[in-house]
Amino acid sequence: DQQVKQNSPSLSVQEGRISILNCDYTNSMFDYFLWYKKYPAEGPTFLISISSIKDKNEDGRFTVFLNKSAKHLSLHIVPSQPGDSAVYFCAARAMDSNYQLIWGAGTKLIIKP
Amino acid sequence: SAVISQKPSRDICQRGTSLTIQCQVDSQVTMMFWYRQQPGQSLTLIATANQGSEATYESGFVIDKFPISRPNLTFSTLTVSNMSPEDSSIYLCSVYQGNGYTFGSGTRLTVV
Repeated sequence: DQQVKQNSPSLSVQEGRISILNCDYTNSMFDYFLWYKKYPAEGPTFLISISSIKDKNEDGRFTVFLNKSAKHLSLHIVPSQPGDSAVYFCAARAMDSNYQLIWGAGTKLIIKP
Repeated sequence: SAVISQKPSRDICQRGTSLTIQCQVDSQVTMMFWYRQQPGQSLTLIATANQGSEATYESGFVIDKFPISRPNLTFSTLTVSNMSPEDSSIYLCSVYQGNGYTFGSGTRLTVV
């Protein structure tokens, strides 16, 4: 039972345009969501997070939107840059989960020059 | 945030042998997690290793196969025992501090 789903295994975007990565979840107990970026041969690095009490969080080129009623979140990257090419993971944490994260399968973002 | 040194970065091992992966953290952290990432899949939590208590294993993972040590607040090891080709994965350690989660660089294990 996949509680966190990233349905797009890959996404190709032109440099300078907006990249939108999507994530759906099923567990209504999730109250904290995170996005990580992962390059090959490296561990995931934190990008941005959002608490369930908010519907938007912005940090520079990165914005995360949360739609609780739809159990959907998205990461917007504007403008997309070549260095953004990586695998992006969505993760979620439930209340009283002992800080354990549940991860999506990742979306490989390719920024074309 | 914490900085984690994870070793080895990669290894190729014979089936039936064991490999111990080490994670050294540059600060004291209570909560540490070990993950496995099989090719093309998400990160799967193996166990939570908090100092001062026995590791807590997730469904599908057992201590005999994945023994964990957590001797202090800055260090932990995960051993992959009696390896088979199905154990070929990336293994990652992670810590949680109040300002978020940090990951080691991962160990890419290939079992032949």
